[in-house]
Amino acid sequence: SQQGEEDPQALSIQEGENATMNCSYKTSINNLQWYRQNSGRGLVHLILIRSNEREKHSGRLRVTLDTSKKSSSLLITASRAADTASYFCATDALVGTNAGKSTFGDGTTLTVKP
Amino acid sequence: NAGVTQTPKFQVLKTGQSMTLQCAQDMNHEYMSWYRQDPGMGLRLIHYSVGAGITDQGEVPNGYNVSRSTTEDFPLRLLSAAPSQTSVYFCASSWDRVRTEAFFGQGTRLTVV
Repeated sequence: SQQGEEDPQALSIQEGENATMNCSYKTSINNLQWYRQNSGRGLVHLILIRSNEREKHSGRLRVTLDTSKKSSSLLITASRAADTASYFCATDALVGTNAGKSTFGDGTTLTVKP
Repeated sequence: NAGVTQTPKFQVLKTGQSMTLQCAQDMNHEYMSWYRQDPGMGLRLIHYSVGAGITDQGEVPNGYNVSRSTTEDFPLRLLSAAPSQTSVYFCASSWDRVRTEAFFGQGTRLTVV
C-alpha cells in the first residue's frame, strides 16, 4: 500500500503563477523527499526535508512539512513552461512494512501554459 | 560521470520469455533499487540492495530476481515474462536507503505481448 498520496492529481496554470501541490502520508516518517519527472524520463531529486524540519527552500521551490497533520506541500513560485512535469513525494515510514524504504505516491501532473 | 545507466531503453518480449535488465552506477553508492512505474501511477519498489551480496524484496517482487555481485551493477531478471509485467522500469542508487537523494536511470520501457 502507498504511504504518500499527492493532491491534486493534475494542475494547470499560466506561466508566472505559483503552483502548490500537497502530499499526505499515513504513518510517522524520518524524511520526505520531492522528485520531478519529465515525460518519458527518470526522476530527478528536488528537496529532502527531515521530520524535525518545518520548511526548506531551494531556488523557486519551497517545501513545508507538518508532521502533526502528516502532510507536506511543494510550492513552485513564478512558474515557467519548463516546470511542466509530474511531481512525486517519497516517504520513509518509521514502522510497518514500508519501514526503511522510500515509498512514492502517484504524483501530481503540472502543466504550465506559456 | 555517467550516474545511473540502464540498458536497454526499450524491449518487447513474448509471454514466457526471460530477460535481464541491466543497471550500472559509477558513484560508489551502496544502496540500489528497482522500481516499476505503470501508467499514471507512482513507483513501486521491486527489489533493493544495501550492498554487494545483499538483496531484499520490495513491495512487488514476484516474477523478478536480482543479484548484486559488485557495488556497481544491479541486474533485474524477469524469469518468465507476463503481460502484467508491461511497465517502465527504473533503477536508482543512493548513499543509503532513505536519508539521501536517489539518482535514477532513464528507464527501460518493457512491453510483454
